[in-house]
Amino acid sequence: AQTVTQSQPEMSVQEAETVTLSCTYDTSESDYYLFWYKQPPSRQMILVIRQEAYKQQNATENRFSVNFQKAAKSFSLKISDSQLGDAAMYFCAFPMRFGAGTRLTVKP
Amino acid sequence: NAGVTQTPKFRILKIGQSMTLQCTQDMNHNYMYWYRQDPGMGLKLIYYSVGAGITDKGEVPNGYNVSRSTTEDFPLRLELAAPSQTSVYFCASSYSFPGQSYGYTFGSGTRLTVV
Repeated sequence: AQTVTQSQPEMSVQEAETVTLSCTYDTSESDYYLFWYKQPPSRQMILVIRQEAYKQQNATENRFSVNFQKAAKSFSLKISDSQLGDAAMYFCAFPMRFGAGTRLTVKP
Repeated sequence: NAGVTQTPKFRILKIGQSMTLQCTQDMNHNYMYWYRQDPGMGLKLIYYSVGAGITDKGEVPNGYNVSRSTTEDFPLRLELAAPSQTSVYFCASSYSFPGQSYGYTFGSGTRLTVV
């Protein structure tokens, strides 16, 4: 079975600063995908970034990047130049398996 | 392009009542899913479908039923509503199964309260 653990229920960052959200996982598969989803107060779930396990290179989408450590089964999300609109719940996920989420607050 | 459309957005049910949550997608995705999100928790899979006429149970299927008569529609039926079913329900669809390559497209959710 696959598991996803987000050990930080809440995080806070100052506007324009950088923050890293942690995620660890467990799976017996060698090839898989991992995702970060954002859920703002509007409740809409939005795909932020995805990583293919067989790719060595960390995925990047504008201000969002991941640090994927396959051997350590770690998949953290880095948000650079944080903006007020980044305030949301962030979920680390396999397909069909989600972590409990991290609530990110952005301070002006 | 509407994506995934869920109705209603909010609903209050009395214990023992039944209702159907509607979900429609216009992206011609074969794969569709129903999740529930309890307060402060991640999403848990209720049911999924890999195509018209084919459905299967997820992690928390008890108290729910689904059907998939067309590619576009994937309704979720709650029979004999219980307070434990108070949650936010999300419908999602994906291009590949189980959402490997491109992740999910989600609907905007239905907040259901059972009193």
